[in-house]
Amino acid sequence: DAGVIQSPRHEVTEMGQEVTLRCKPISGHNSLFWYRQTMMRGLELLIYFNNNVPIDDSGMPEDRFSAKMPNASFSTLKIQPSEPRDSAVYFCASSYEGHTEAFFGQGTRLTVV
Amino acid sequence: QQQVKQSPQSLIVQKGGISIINCAYENTAFDYFPWYQQFPGKGPALLIAIRPDVSEKKEGRFTISFNKSAKQFSLHIMDSQPGDSATYFCAAIWGGGNFNKFYFGSGTKLNVKP
Repeated sequence: DAGVIQSPRHEVTEMGQEVTLRCKPISGHNSLFWYRQTMMRGLELLIYFNNNVPIDDSGMPEDRFSAKMPNASFSTLKIQPSEPRDSAVYFCASSYEGHTEAFFGQGTRLTVV
Repeated sequence: QQQVKQSPQSLIVQKGGISIINCAYENTAFDYFPWYQQFPGKGPALLIAIRPDVSEKKEGRFTISFNKSAKQFSLHIMDSQPGDSATYFCAAIWGGGNFNKFYFGSGTKLNVKP
């Protein structure tokens, strides 16, 4: 398996634009996590899906952020409109329900100018 | 509110020395405590983990010490090597119901000098 695949690896966008980050979890995994990493706050859990259903989105910072998981092999994290303070590395991770190891993708480095 | 507090934020150790990173938690429902290692440009990857019914776990040069009563755990890297230079995250997992929710500390950037 190729592991968790995220795209794009890097994204530079202008303030106010819509940004969509994509994630393909490991085949067979049914839990999916979106994290945001910054120097100030470390790894923050944004949202957690289990069997394609959002279980906990309490970490989503505000209404500008939304996430979907239309099927077991694909998830998106959308920011609309984007702001400079959204600049961070966004990680997607997947796990198998009941298992204790999360596998991370390589991340998307987002820069909002 | 940060569920897992990690210190120090950064650490510089000479080659051959011992690196120690500490974490503390509040929620006694946590039942699994992993450490993740992240190299630049990569996602975090599982390094070593411990359950709260064990006070210590060792894998090679890496040891987790766990103090359940103090709600603290730490990572010790013996004979630290330049290749260990990375960011380390402690985590705590709550296995409520059938779901495992991962909470991470803020990370420690380790630099091992040759």
